[in-house]
Amino acid sequence: KAGVTQTPRYLIKTRGQQVTLSCSPISGHRSVSWYQQTPGQGLQFLFEYFSETQRNKGNFPGRFSGRQFSNSRSEMNVSTLELGDSALYLCASSFGGQGYYNEQFFGPGTRLTVL
Amino acid sequence: QQPVQSPQAVILREGEDAVINCSSSKALYSVHWYRQKHGEAPVFLMILLKGGEQKGHDKISASFNEKKQQSSLYLTASQLSYSGTYFCGTEMEKNRDDKIIFGKGTRLHILP
Repeated sequence: KAGVTQTPRYLIKTRGQQVTLSCSPISGHRSVSWYQQTPGQGLQFLFEYFSETQRNKGNFPGRFSGRQFSNSRSEMNVSTLELGDSALYLCASSFGGQGYYNEQFFGPGTRLTVL
Repeated sequence: QQPVQSPQAVILREGEDAVINCSSSKALYSVHWYRQKHGEAPVFLMILLKGGEQKGHDKISASFNEKKQQSSLYLTASQLSYSGTYFCGTEMEKNRDDKIIFGKGTRLHILP
């Protein structure tokens, strides 16, 4: 069974630009969550999508947005990039529905560097 | 409400035991444990639910004190492969629709 995949693996952007990251969940998983990981801060929750709807949202500015498609693939967009957005962005998938354990299966991440 | 993990870091010799703690100020429905090795994605270790259900790897043990909203991960007879950063994640809603909030992690280093 294929794991969670994320593309691209590395990105270098400059301040003010925008970026789109992609995540393909494990087949059959309907929930996709996005996390920002920076040294010392652990995993900061961005948002979660379930069946194409945003189900939960973290405390990030509106520059961070996402969406989920009918095949459960998800994209995350960051507009007007700032230096502080440099981080590893992880997505995680799970079954997400009632009656399932909600363990998260993480992708390898996208390393974003903002210059 | 980010859970608090302790200790922040620990160094052990191979074969020694370790306990990593996770506490929350809010009532919890579940606690997750993950391990992340350097340069890799976090990997699921265990989930403990309110009421006693749990699911995880056979060689990993953990507890969940519902009254204190605390969980502990027990690593016994540690091996070199146990090195990494351990994260606990917590869910606060009964209906599972709540987000998982992770602690800042506990760095574990095993010496030969």
